[in-house]
Amino acid sequence: DTAVSQTPKYLVTQMGNDKSIKCEQNLGHDTMYWYKQDSKKFLKIMFSYNNKELIINETVPNRFSPKSPDKAHLNLHINSLELGDSAVYFCASDPGQGISAAFFGQGTRLTVV
Amino acid sequence: GQQLNQSPQSMFIQEGEDVSMNCTSSSIFNTWLWYKQDPGEGPVLLIALYKAGELTSNGRLTAQFGITRKDSFLNISASIPSDVGIYFCAGQENSGGSNYKLTFGKGTLLTVNP
Repeated sequence: DTAVSQTPKYLVTQMGNDKSIKCEQNLGHDTMYWYKQDSKKFLKIMFSYNNKELIINETVPNRFSPKSPDKAHLNLHINSLELGDSAVYFCASDPGQGISAAFFGQGTRLTVV
Repeated sequence: GQQLNQSPQSMFIQEGEDVSMNCTSSSIFNTWLWYKQDPGEGPVLLIALYKAGELTSNGRLTAQFGITRKDSFLNISASIPSDVGIYFCAGQENSGGSNYKLTFGKGTLLTVNP
């Protein structure tokens, strides 16, 4: 009964490719996020969606495009992958309305070669 | 944007010792959170603090939301080997409407020697 699940867990791909990471939460939360964790373990928010609406876009290159088909899903599509995109990407969700106890998925380790 | 200073960056302690780590910010936060991350996993929420001055415990963990709303600390008492991991503080600001953004500290890597 995984609360926030993301797939795949590992993704190795060549520069220039396009790839997607999927995320689903079964907590009934209104708000979902994508975070990026770099090699120094620094966690930085990328996007936030509330009820399928984009709320936060933290100056992420437009090669990254989140899509929320419904409030339980938030997918991340990345075009023209670059070496610097290698990182661990975390999906998270919280109830919204200022209740910030975010639940994180297990992460997707993306390696661009 | 907001910046969080988390210290120490790493700690090496003996099993049974108490541990303390803290975060300070240049600006006010509405909420402080403490997370733990195990290798290969996502961060897991340990304690959430919603009011200035609030002191909250979760088992051997105690955290406080500073009165100025610009700082928080986490204490772990009687550490055990499974406490090993990276601990992150996170502060939440309300940037308007439903825009609630979490800013994370850079983490404290805790190693516990049995």
